[in-house]
Amino acid sequence: QVQLVESGGGLVKPGGSLRLSCAASGFTFSDHFMSWIRQAPGKGLEWVAYISRTGNSIYYADSVRGRFTISRDDAKNSLYLQMNSLRADDTAVYYCARGEGILSYWGQGTLVIVSS
Amino acid sequence: EIVMTQSPATLSVSPGERATLSCRASQSVKSSLAWYQQKAGQAPRLLIYGASTRATGTPGRFSGSGSGTEFTLTIGSLQSEDFAVYYCQQYNSWPPPWTFGQGTKVEIK
Repeated sequence: QVQLVESGGGLVKPGGSLRLSCAASGFTFSDHFMSWIRQAPGKGLEWVAYISRTGNSIYYADSVRGRFTISRDDAKNSLYLQMNSLRADDTAVYYCARGEGILSYWGQGTLVIVSS
Repeated sequence: EIVMTQSPATLSVSPGERATLSCRASQSVKSSLAWYQQKAGQAPRLLIYGASTRATGTPGRFSGSGSGTEFTLTIGSLQSEDFAVYYCQQYNSWPPPWTFGQGTKVEIK
């Protein structure tokens, strides 16, 4: 069955960096578009970034553009989110999800806390 | 950016009753509308896409309708496992962002 497992979250100081990973299994990873979505504590969902099957098409939310980088390694069936210049308002659970637009499968999320 | 507005924020319903949730888009998204269910402490789960197509595993008591700017999610007869937060999301925008509503919490009356 489809599984997405995020890792790499934790506590980081403002201005710091973190790299999130998402390990995919149960499907042909290279055949699918992938996205990152986040959810601040007690808040709603915010789409963060998208990467196409080939990696040639990438888009970001305005709130993270220039600070976050999405990437994929099809040989490792993995999706990544490099987060730099982190701010307090980046504190959230970060989910990876399979899909372009329609987010058909989600991981369980990894918590990122940005605090001094 | 397309703004999605859900109503009500909270819906109190008794088990076995029908629940109707609304979602409005600030501009037409055609039928590019999905609904997700999120239970406490869990990841969201896709319920409906294309405004009315049930995702694999979605029970028949869930139905979606609408197009353009007005959408509805109906839960025909609420079961205990249906008490959760429901989000609508538009994916008509290209390029992204794909935007979510703020959610409707369905709670036990």
